[in-house]
Amino acid sequence: EVQLVESGGGLVQPGGSLRLSCVASGFTFSSYSMKWVRQTPGKRLEWLSFISVGGYTIHYADSVRGRFTVSRDDAKNSLYLQMNSLRVEDTAVYYCARKKGEHDSSWFYDFWGQGTLVTVSS
Amino acid sequence: DIQLTQSPSFLSASVGDRVIITCRASQAISSFLAWYQQKPGKAPKLLIYAASTLQSGVPSRFSGSGSGTEFTLTVSSLQPEDFATYYCQQVGFYPLTFGGGTKVEIK
Repeated sequence: EVQLVESGGGLVQPGGSLRLSCVASGFTFSSYSMKWVRQTPGKRLEWLSFISVGGYTIHYADSVRGRFTVSRDDAKNSLYLQMNSLRVEDTAVYYCARKKGEHDSSWFYDFWGQGTLVTVSS
Repeated sequence: DIQLTQSPSFLSASVGDRVIITCRASQAISSFLAWYQQKPGKAPKLLIYAASTLQSGVPSRFSGSGSGTEFTLTVSSLQPEDFATYYCQQVGFYPLTFGGGTKVEIK
């Protein structure tokens, strides 16, 4: 069974940092590209970042470029999102999601984790 | 960035109703569109990809159509478990973008 489990969320002050993790199981993690998406308290979904198989290609949304860094450790079946210089507007539930096909054979994303809540507040 | 406009944003319907949700893209995206269903406290679930392909395990009462800038998600006969929020997403161009969502509630 495919599973993605996020962790690392919590309460942080503006300007602080957090590192989110997404641990994958039930599939060959190293063969799949991944993305991070967040959902604001108003339920708006926002794509944040993409990382390809092997980490060779990375994309970021303008809202997080320069503050957030995506990475992966295939040996640990893990995806990460390092979040620095956090702002109140970064408050959201953060999800990782898997691309549907191995080695970018699909454009779409099928499985999502259950999400981890990040709250940025003083 | 490509804007996706969903309509309606809220829909009240009864069990057995046929429901149609529209997603309009600010520029042509071919068939690079997916539909997701989200229930409270849960992650979005993929229903339709490539505008009209049903994801494995999704009931056949769900269907998608369209290409270019106009897309629709149709539920042929609404079931109690279908009351949820539905989102479209385009994956053809970065940044990937989502529609604002359509909440389907029980009339």
